[in-house]
Amino acid sequence: GNSVTQMEGPVTLSEEAFLTINCTYTATGYPSLFWYVQYPGEGLQLLLKATKADDKGSNKGFEATYRKETTSFHLEKGSVQVSDSAVYFCALSDVNSNYQLIWGAGTKLIIKP
Amino acid sequence: DVKVTQSSRYLVKRTGEKVFLECVQDMDHENMFWYRQDPGLGLRLIYFSYDVKMKEKGDIPEGYSVSREKKERFSLILESASTNQTSMYLCASSVDSQWYQETQYFGPGTRLLVL
Repeated sequence: GNSVTQMEGPVTLSEEAFLTINCTYTATGYPSLFWYVQYPGEGLQLLLKATKADDKGSNKGFEATYRKETTSFHLEKGSVQVSDSAVYFCALSDVNSNYQLIWGAGTKLIIKP
Repeated sequence: DVKVTQSSRYLVKRTGEKVFLECVQDMDHENMFWYRQDPGLGLRLIYFSYDVKMKEKGDIPEGYSVSREKKERFSLILESASTNQTSMYLCASSVDSQWYQETQYFGPGTRLLVL
């Protein structure tokens, strides 16, 4: 069945460091891929998405590229800020999950000033 | 902006109580969802609804029921609360799309403690 695997957290970085949060997936179809972010005390919100292979999603300085050959959708940011501290969730949907979102476990990111 | 509101941010209930969690969205979305969020487990879908009075079981429906009498409101009911239902509950809504996943919009969550 479909599944999403994220790197375990917490990930702790200093401000202005380069960020990578790994996400790999298993899907039998051609999924759409998503990154959602949950800031402290808030619900989740969509950060970026990609709907086909080689697409790059981007928002707020974050990027992720849909890599079908490695079944990955790693989240990157060149220079993180304290305000980026949050929990990041990778997710997929495709026809075999009836278009419901399949979620990773989440990765907590802590940015120190 | 889409707004999804949940009736309580924090709730404390006793084992065996009947618990109602309410969710309201203001964007005329067809789809609504209830998830629970537990550390290390991500989000798990409890129930979803794609129309008024329609509901579908998610991955973990046991011990829960739902009600959708109006398009904007989706209620989660814990018939007899148990300690293993202590969790964060998240409601979400999305526009209906037959062929792909539309963005889900989330409420702030209800943190439920069952004693």
